[in-house]
Amino acid sequence: SQTIHQWPATLVQPVGSPLSLECTVEGTSNPNLYWYRQAAGRGLQLLFYSIGIDQISSEVPQNLSASRPQDRQFILSSKKLLLSDSGFYLCAWSAGGSYSTQPQHFGDGTRLSIL
Amino acid sequence: QKEVEQDPGPLSVPEGAIVSLNCTYSNSAFQYFMWYRQYSRKGPELLMYTYSSGNKEDGRFTAQVDKSSKYISLFIRDSQPSDSATYLCARVRIQGAQKLVFGQGTRLTINP
Repeated sequence: SQTIHQWPATLVQPVGSPLSLECTVEGTSNPNLYWYRQAAGRGLQLLFYSIGIDQISSEVPQNLSASRPQDRQFILSSKKLLLSDSGFYLCAWSAGGSYSTQPQHFGDGTRLSIL
Repeated sequence: QKEVEQDPGPLSVPEGAIVSLNCTYSNSAFQYFMWYRQYSRKGPELLMYTYSSGNKEDGRFTAQVDKSSKYISLFIRDSQPSDSATYLCARVRIQGAQKLVFGQGTRLTINP
C-alpha cells in the first residue's frame, strides 16, 4: 500500500531563517505531488504541484519554492522566512499523469510557526 | 465570489443524529468533487469522491451532487463522537494536473 511521510511534524523558526520541509511517498511510482498551506480556520490553498521530476508549477506568488529531486520526494523551501509563512503545510500525492482524476492523499503535515 | 463556499460552523449535534454538510460552487464546468475529513493536527483523509450528479453511498456516508443548483452535500447517518472533525469539500479541476479547490471546512462536534 502507498504511504506518505512528512517531516518534521512541528517547526519553530525565526523570521529571516531558511526552511526545508520534506515529503516522501512510498509504494507507488511517478506520482503527482502537491504542497498545500492551511491557515488557521481556513481551507487548503494549493502552493505547488509536480507531475514529474524537475517539473514544478507554482500556483501563487510567494516567498517559497519547491523542488523534486527524486521521483517520490518533494521539498518545500524558503531562503528567508516571513511572519506570513506561518501555517500548516501539507503534502499530498495522487496517481500520476497530467490529467489524472485519481483522488489526492495527504500526509499529516508540518505545523510551522515563525517568531 | 469564492469558487467553493462552505459554512464554517461550528455545528454541534447529538450522537445518533443525521448530519448534513453542504457546499456550493460557482463554476458549472466542475465535474468531480471530493469530501475530506480532518482531525485536529492531522492531514485530511479522503471520505468520498463523486463524479456527476446524483448520490454515492459508502457505509454511513452519502455524498450528493446537484449540478443544477451547484450544490454538494455530505450526509452522515447514525453519527458517532468519532465523527467529530472538520469536513472539507473540494472541487476538482484538471488543468495540466489535478487541482483541488477547497471550501473553508465545517467544524462538526458529535455530543455523546
